[in-house]
Amino acid sequence: ETGVTQSPTHLIKTRGQQVTLRCSSQSGHNTVSWYQQALGQGPQFIFQYYREEENGRGNFPPRFSGLQFPNYSSELNVNALELDDSALYLCASSLDAGETQYFGPGTRLLVL
Amino acid sequence: QKEVEQDPGPLSVPEGAIVSLNCTYSNSAFQYFMWYRQYSRKGPELLMYTYSSGNKEDGRFTAQVDKSSKYISLFIRDSQPSDSATYLCAMSARGGNAGKSTFGDGTTLTVKP
Repeated sequence: ETGVTQSPTHLIKTRGQQVTLRCSSQSGHNTVSWYQQALGQGPQFIFQYYREEENGRGNFPPRFSGLQFPNYSSELNVNALELDDSALYLCASSLDAGETQYFGPGTRLLVL
Repeated sequence: QKEVEQDPGPLSVPEGAIVSLNCTYSNSAFQYFMWYRQYSRKGPELLMYTYSSGNKEDGRFTAQVDKSSKYISLFIRDSQPSDSATYLCAMSARGGNAGKSTFGDGTTLTVKP
């Protein structure tokens, strides 16, 4: 077991709505990365949080935002949902910013 | 064009076969190379991690990196039905094998008993 948990497991939203996805990192891990995995594709890096600060961002628009809490759990927020946002959203935590990352099971988001 | 291209598959082999999975890349800054295994409805799990060129072996798995050709491979010996999964290559320029990785699109492998 990796120890990384994500909620919810599945979610259905309509275009234009907002969504919040949550991730609990493995105990002792201070770094969380978020990825988007569309069907049939590899994960794409959204952003990383290290000790509550954003520590790098991929090629995603500002309507994708995040937060890391003092206990190092994290949220991914997506505003103004579009159909193309339908994907599996993966969270990965690591002991430190340069260490092995462990993935959670993901949240499957469907935008109608 | 994508920075990382992975042989798309799918790949179907009999149990006991040797499997070769391959990726090419275009970014010369990549120095860390990873292979992940992803079972259906699960997150990826790290299988192998190598830094720079060379070979690395771990049990039935061997990872090979050729930076001059910008080509990496994963070999699976004595493949088992439990190896059936999607295999993802990933690379990063810095930060070890942690976040900010660029992934290939995966190759789905089926090992038939």
